[in-house]
Amino acid sequence: GESVGLHLPTLSVQEGDNSIINCAYSNSASDYFIWYKQESGKGPQFIIDIRSNMDKRQGQRVTVLLNKTVKHLSLQIAATQPGDSAVYFCAEPPRNTPLVFGKGTRLSVIA
Amino acid sequence: EPEVTQTPSHQVTQMGQEVILRCVPISNHLYFYWYRQILGQKVEFLVSFYNNEISEKSEIFDDQFSVERPDGSNFTLKIRSTKLEDSAMYFCASNPDSYNEQFFGPGTRLTVL
Repeated sequence: GESVGLHLPTLSVQEGDNSIINCAYSNSASDYFIWYKQESGKGPQFIIDIRSNMDKRQGQRVTVLLNKTVKHLSLQIAATQPGDSAVYFCAEPPRNTPLVFGKGTRLSVIA
Repeated sequence: EPEVTQTPSHQVTQMGQEVILRCVPISNHLYFYWYRQILGQKVEFLVSFYNNEISEKSEIFDDQFSVERPDGSNFTLKIRSTKLEDSAMYFCASNPDSYNEQFFGPGTRLTVL
């Protein structure tokens, strides 16, 4: 079964606002997580990753937070832009087994 | 920046026909994958390939499916006798080792009529 899941299937935000997309995982031994973005008609694209020895990791306009106590991940997008409209997946790439995707959260940016 | 490429971008075929979907993974990568995504559904794992053999496959990857790395650059997915339910986006992915992020290609949209 799925080891990762998402709290909300859709999220609508105003352009310029911050977006927060959440994800829960079930395997407390998981030590590596990736966020992917999938735009319409395209393949998943790596955004950012985080290892379990970190609580927070920042990229360009994106931040991933990891709460190992409650087994929760979040992806924060600052100053959301129309180009951020996509489906976002958290994924847990376990060693030597296939990548598991959840259904994703569809982010819609309202101009 | 190196990227995974896939051809064709769209393939239309009749039910029962064979199709071959092609992928060129990133050149120094060693692990290769096929996934599919039926319209409106999540991305599903099909098969992983390493060292010229299948390392893992899902229950979707039945006897109608096969993969091959015919030369040093291409990685192909063959569906022997397509069914209507094989209509989906098929994504190829690769990574340099199995612990890191997978790089996905743009996908091939397969339509079975």
